[in-house]
Parts: sequence; structure tokens; C-alpha cells
Amino acid sequence: KQEVTQIPAALSVPEGENLVLNCSFTDSAIYNLQWFRQDPGKGLTSLLLIQSSQREQTSGRLNASLDKSSGRSTLYIAASQPGDSATYLCAVLMDSNYQLIWGAGTKLIIKP
Amino acid sequence: DAGITQSPRYKITETGRQVTLMCHQTWSHSYMFWYRQDLGHGLRLIYYSAAADITDKGEVPDGYVVSRSKTENFPLTLESATRSQTSVYFCASSLDGMNTEAFFGQGTRLTVV
Repeated sequence: KQEVTQIPAALSVPEGENLVLNCSFTDSAIYNLQWFRQDPGKGLTSLLLIQSSQREQTSGRLNASLDKSSGRSTLYIAASQPGDSATYLCAVLMDSNYQLIWGAGTKLIIKP
Repeated sequence: DAGITQSPRYKITETGRQVTLMCHQTWSHSYMFWYRQDLGHGLRLIYYSAAADITDKGEVPDGYVVSRSKTENFPLTLESATRSQTSVYFCASSLDGMNTEAFFGQGTRLTVV
């Protein structure tokens, strides 16, 4: 059974720092991996989608990498801002049934 | 407005009552999903639909019923609500379910008392 783990569960850093969020998964038979952002009391917003054949995707200050063979993905946030404060979730889409399996998220706080 | 909307945003109901959560999307996406989000469990898939009149179970379908008579609507019904179904429910849609990103509604916070 696929398990997705996100470490750390919470992270607090000063504004301006570059940071890395981690996501690991136990079954490498994935179709793609997605990173989402969730703000309190709101829905989820898709940030980046990496197909299993890709190594990374970039959007603005965000860069996500995927190492399928080792079961790891990272989300790199450059020059963090207070507006980046949110919970970041990763999810893998399984090859077998095209269902998303979710990590529990990393709660990120950027201090002004 | 284009997008995906859920209603109601908040709902309190009593144990044993039937309650329906609504989801509407304006993109004509083929795939629609219902998730529940609970502390300690993350998001878990309840049901999904690949097209109108095609639905399938997810990880935690017991106690829930779905239908999809029209592409744009995907209601979720709790036939006889239990306290364990207190949760935040999210509806989502995607164009093809695989290669494209998923878009989420704002969520419905359901409390069963």
C-alpha cells in the first residue's frame, strides 16, 4: 500500500530564506506527483505537477523535483515571503488506479 | 463565475439524518472527486467519477452515496449521518484525471451531533 510522508510537519523560517519541503513515497509505481497549497479555511490550490518521466518543474519562485526511483520529491521555495505561509501537501497519482494518495502536509510559517 | 463551487460551506446535522453536499463545476471536466480531510489522516478519497453516469469507490466509501447525472454536478449524500463522518469535505475536478492538475472547491465543514 502506498504511503506518502512529508517531513517536517511544521516549519518556521524568517522572511527571505530559501527553503526545501520534503515528500517521500514507498511505491515508485506512480503516474505523477503534485504539490498543493492549502490556506486555512480554504480549498487546495495546485502548484506544480510532475509527470513520472520528468525530473523537475518550475513555476516562479517554486521548483519541484522528482526522484522516482528513490521515492522522493522536494519543493524548493526561493526568497520566501510571509504570503507563502500555508500548508503544503504532496500527492502521488498511482499507476494502478489513478487515485491520488496524499501526504499529511507541512505547515509553513514565514516570519516577517 | 467559472470554477468549482461547493454548498453549503458549513453544515450541522444530527446523527441518523440524511444530508447532501453539492458540488458544481463550470469547466466541463470529465473527472470529479470527493475527499474528506481529517486531522491525522490527511485527505482520503471517498468516490470519484470519470464521466456522467460513471462512478467508482475510493478509499473510504462506506456510508456515502454519489450520483452524476450531469457532467457539471457531483452530489455526495450521507444516507444516515454518524459522528465519525464529522469532517471537512472537498470536491475536486480535473480534465482527464491523470495528466492534468486537479482543482478543488472551498470545502464543506460538516459536523454531526
